[in-house]
Amino acid sequence: GENVEQHPSTLSVQEGDSAVIKCTYSDSASNYFPWYKQELGKGPQLIIDIRSNVGEKKDQRIAVTLNKTAKHFSLHITETQPEDSAVYFCAAGGNTGGFKTIFGAGTRLFVKA
Amino acid sequence: EADIYQTPRYLVIGTGKKITLECSQTMGHDKMYWYQQDPGMELHLIHYSYGVNSTEKGDLSSESTVSRIRTEHFPLTLESARPSHTSQYLCATRGAATNEKLFFGSGTQLSVL
Repeated sequence: GENVEQHPSTLSVQEGDSAVIKCTYSDSASNYFPWYKQELGKGPQLIIDIRSNVGEKKDQRIAVTLNKTAKHFSLHITETQPEDSAVYFCAAGGNTGGFKTIFGAGTRLFVKA
Repeated sequence: EADIYQTPRYLVIGTGKKITLECSQTMGHDKMYWYQQDPGMELHLIHYSYGVNSTEKGDLSSESTVSRIRTEHFPLTLESARPSHTSQYLCATRGAATNEKLFFGSGTQLSVL
């Protein structure tokens, strides 16, 4: 079935360093790849997304890259700050399955001051 | 931005009780979803709805049931709660287009003793 794998499950970086989270997906029909950030006690919130006709997208300190051939996409956070500490989820969606979103298992990011 | 409300925020109940978790949204979105989030972070889709009078089971089997009598309301019911139902329950909505982001509520943390 459809699957999204996410690595690493835990990531610890020093403030100011970069953080990279990687995902792979199995359904070649997927054409929408959002990233969500979940802070403690809250629901996930979209931070950036990319569609299959684009290879890279950037929004200030965060960027996402997509390699459709390899079915890989990655989240890059530069100049990390303590407030970036949270759980991050990648996801894949498309025209299949009633617009369901398939989530990765999540990455817990710790940014040490 | 969509406004999506979940109540109660926390619930501690005894085994065998019937409970209803409430989810309401004010944006008129047709698609609504219930996710169960385990302590290991993973999000599991348990129910979704395309619109009024539409309900579907998700990828993870659940003993809960849902109803969608009004667009803005998507309650989840457990007829007889058990300790295995202890989890975080997240409600989400999505707009009309295929690849639109999910808006999540803050969740209900359910503990069954």
